Amino acid sequence: DTEVTQTPKHLVMGMTNKKSLKCEQHMGHRAMYWYKQKAKKPPELMFVYSYEKLSINESVPSRFSPECPNSSLLNLHLHALQPEDSALYLCASSPRDSLYGYTFGSGTRLTVV
Amino acid sequence: EDQVTQSPEALRLQEGESSSLNCSYTVSGLRGLFWYRQDPGKGPEFLFTLYSAGEEKEKERLKATLTKKESFLHITAPKPEDSATYLCAVRPSGGYQKVTFGTGTKLQVIP
Repeated sequence: DTEVTQTPKHLVMGMTNKKSLKCEQHMGHRAMYWYKQKAKKPPELMFVYSYEKLSINESVPSRFSPECPNSSLLNLHLHALQPEDSALYLCASSPRDSLYGYTFGSGTRLTVV
Repeated sequence: EDQVTQSPEALRLQEGESSSLNCSYTVSGLRGLFWYRQDPGKGPEFLFTLYSAGEEKEKERLKATLTKKESFLHITAPKPEDSATYLCAVRPSGGYQKVTFGTGTKLQVIP
């Protein structure tokens, strides 16, 4: 299995909703990442987990809450989002660190209404 | 702050017409430079990592090169399926893992 699987593919949520994005990989990678990508912009790093521990938080607002339950799973919990948070949310993994290149999932297209 | 600038923003080629994409970077010590390909609505797909000036890597019709200030992605005899946005990214030296992406070059190959 050489894939990163993200669910759901599309999500529409209201500003008062709570939802979660899920990411799964079975490649034995020990580093996992959340990126946010707006239209026609490059991916922007949000969080890095290394060996299931949060190692980087790029000053992301607390309405985004990451979780890494085990080495194969990564979640992003969403609460009280704003319309400007609408974007493609990408999960990625790498064997140990980013120097080995990422394997990205296809992303979750999030729309906040 | 690390910076990555890609040019041109968009490039339209006829099938078989070779060309190059440019990635200029400013980083406090380069640990690695990456090339990714991204199709619309999909996550980026890893192509290459380059580690030091003078290094070259090839994959099918693509060849990436690296100098101390920039990298080039050469596309030889492109086909329509090479149409995509090509992203360059850098990882600085040191323990911090942050990878900074450029804004990409959108390549369209016309049959």
